[in-house]
Amino acid sequence: AQKITQTQPGMFVQEKEAVTLDCTYDTSDQSYGLFWYKQPSSGEMIFLIYQGSYDEQNATEGRYSLNFQKARKSANLVISASQLGDSAMYFCAMREGRSGNTPLVFGKGTRLSVIA
Amino acid sequence: GAVVSQHPSRVICKSGTSVKIECRSLDFQATTMFWYRQFPKQSLMLMATSNEGSKATYEQGVEKDKFLINHASLTLSTLTVTSAHPEDSSFYICSVKDRTLNQPQHFGDGTRLSIL
Repeated sequence: AQKITQTQPGMFVQEKEAVTLDCTYDTSDQSYGLFWYKQPSSGEMIFLIYQGSYDEQNATEGRYSLNFQKARKSANLVISASQLGDSAMYFCAMREGRSGNTPLVFGKGTRLSVIA
Repeated sequence: GAVVSQHPSRVICKSGTSVKIECRSLDFQATTMFWYRQFPKQSLMLMATSNEGSKATYEQGVEKDKFLINHASLTLSTLTVTSAHPEDSSFYICSVKDRTLNQPQHFGDGTRLSIL
């Protein structure tokens, strides 16, 4: 079974509008972390935002916010005021356990295209 | 500035060549590094976990004799693709676990390997 599910292969959004990228996860661990990364066409992985399983408040980083619904096991990324430079692949990822020595497991990604 | 340096960024070589990819942690000592592979239009898949001073742990389906990992120091891990073939053409990217549990893994910029 997939641990991270991103159901939107591609999304379009108008410049300056907000967009939500969906992510659901599956784990039996009580302690885990959820991450979102942006991957432009050049390939580098750019960290956007982190949510810990014990964090009660939704994470925010500038124009990025994470809509964390623990009971539903979802961790959707919200990008406000989209910019042309936001066009890229977006990956949701999870790290299970407390130690931090476990690797990230990635979803299949969502390709976001921002339209002028 | 960059936390992880990965070199080379791009390799084009003939079938049968062995290719070495370096991943350096610039900011701190890293006892654990991760190697991922990404085929075009796909997600990042973990290949192996590199542990300083001990043998790497490979994921199921990854040939350890094909993909040699050496983590000889606290700042350097190398991945050698031995006798590379066209099907090994892919994007290889390393990551370093941050010292702080809640921080993301830091990724190198990746190596695009093309085997002719």
